[in-house]
Amino acid sequence: GAVVSQHPSRVICKSGTSVKIECRSLDFQATTMFWYRQFPKQSLMLMATSNEGSKATYEQGVEKDKFLINHASLTLSTLTVTSAHPEDSSFYICSASRGSYSNQPQHFGDGTRLSIL
Amino acid sequence: GNSVTQMEGPVTLSEEAFLTINCTYTATGYPSLFWYVQYPGEGLQLLLKATKADDKGSNKGFEATYRKETTSFHLEKGSVQVSDSAVYFCALSDLGTGNQFYFGTGTSLTVIP
Repeated sequence: GAVVSQHPSRVICKSGTSVKIECRSLDFQATTMFWYRQFPKQSLMLMATSNEGSKATYEQGVEKDKFLINHASLTLSTLTVTSAHPEDSSFYICSASRGSYSNQPQHFGDGTRLSIL
Repeated sequence: GNSVTQMEGPVTLSEEAFLTINCTYTATGYPSLFWYVQYPGEGLQLLLKATKADDKGSNKGFEATYRKETTSFHLEKGSVQVSDSAVYFCALSDLGTGNQFYFGTGTSLTVIP
């Protein structure tokens, strides 16, 4: 089946550091990828939609300059948390879909646990 | 607009008990419906899906039927196991909103031996 790989799985770093998270679709091309944030015991909050070759579409309330998204190829999207602070600590998950039809499921990466000290 | 309402947890069941997790939705178009499962510390895995009314999705003993008349997609399993302990998310996808996924709040299930 389709596989989405997310890396790294866990990051612990000091406040002020920028952290890059990669999301790769391993066996299909994904023109669109999604980035979510999940707080403990809560549902997924969509942060942005990453579009290959164009700017990402951010959800209301998500800082574009804080969370930089790049979708340089059909198999790779990156999320960079710039100048991270403790309040950015969270579980970040990406997803991708094979096609553009609504009956196609989203395939999720295993998530990245980000801890800012 | 689109939204998903899921029964609140946590749910605790004994092994071999019957499971139902309720999910209802609101959609402007003709959505596809999904159940995802999240094990501790992991991402989400697709459990099952249904793409049109009256479709039944099934996998690993879990079932859910797309009921348009009641706008529901309840998850059921006849006999749960300890290994089913996880968080379950109901979700919908609507082509009309660019295939954006809308998730329920998740239901935590714990199965005790």
